[in-house]
Amino acid sequence: KNQVEQSPQSLIILEGKNCTLQCNYTVSPFSNLRWYKQDTGRGPVSLTIMTFSENTKSNGRYTATLDADTKQSSLHITASQLSDSASYICVVRRGGNKLTFGTGTQLKVEL
Amino acid sequence: DAGVIQSPRHEVTEMGQEVTLRCKPISGHDYLFWYRQTMMRGLELLIYFNNNVPIDDSGMPEDRFSAKMPNASFSTLKIQPSEPRDSAVYFCASSLGGVGEQYFGPGTRLTVT
Repeated sequence: KNQVEQSPQSLIILEGKNCTLQCNYTVSPFSNLRWYKQDTGRGPVSLTIMTFSENTKSNGRYTATLDADTKQSSLHITASQLSDSASYICVVRRGGNKLTFGTGTQLKVEL
Repeated sequence: DAGVIQSPRHEVTEMGQEVTLRCKPISGHDYLFWYRQTMMRGLELLIYFNNNVPIDDSGMPEDRFSAKMPNASFSTLKIQPSEPRDSAVYFCASSLGGVGEQYFGPGTRLTVT
């Protein structure tokens, strides 16, 4: 069964701290994996996209990793800011327009 | 570009009423997607169009749901009759090409009482 599981479900960290969000998938065949950021009351916005051959990709303070062998991805946020408070959704494409969405990690950054 | 535009942003209606959600995709994009998001199930694809033609509606929950795309700049998602379990946030997204990045609208929060 094609599934995307994210952990933790929610996370609270202090401003300035780092954190790592996890995504495990059983989607097959694999085409690519995206991390989206969804602010409250807004639509998801793409942060990174990773293909099978890519291990690491950065977008500012966001760094995504992909291990295609173990079917795991992570999103690392460095020096968190209050504006990082959002839901982070992992999405795996298995070809064509077949997307499988994770249920997201709700991150809250506090002072 | 203004991005994907959805209206209304919020809709509250009574059970049994007809609800119509509207979407204007990004100009030039040839794919349009309708999603539903709930706390329990996350984001679910309902239907998508390519060049105004419905391609896959397997995610539409039941016959009460219908979607149309009369032209390249407008699409509607209709629920008739609405039920409380339809309460969710409905997103429209568009992309250039079937595997291109999907750009999401701000969503319509639907509450059916």
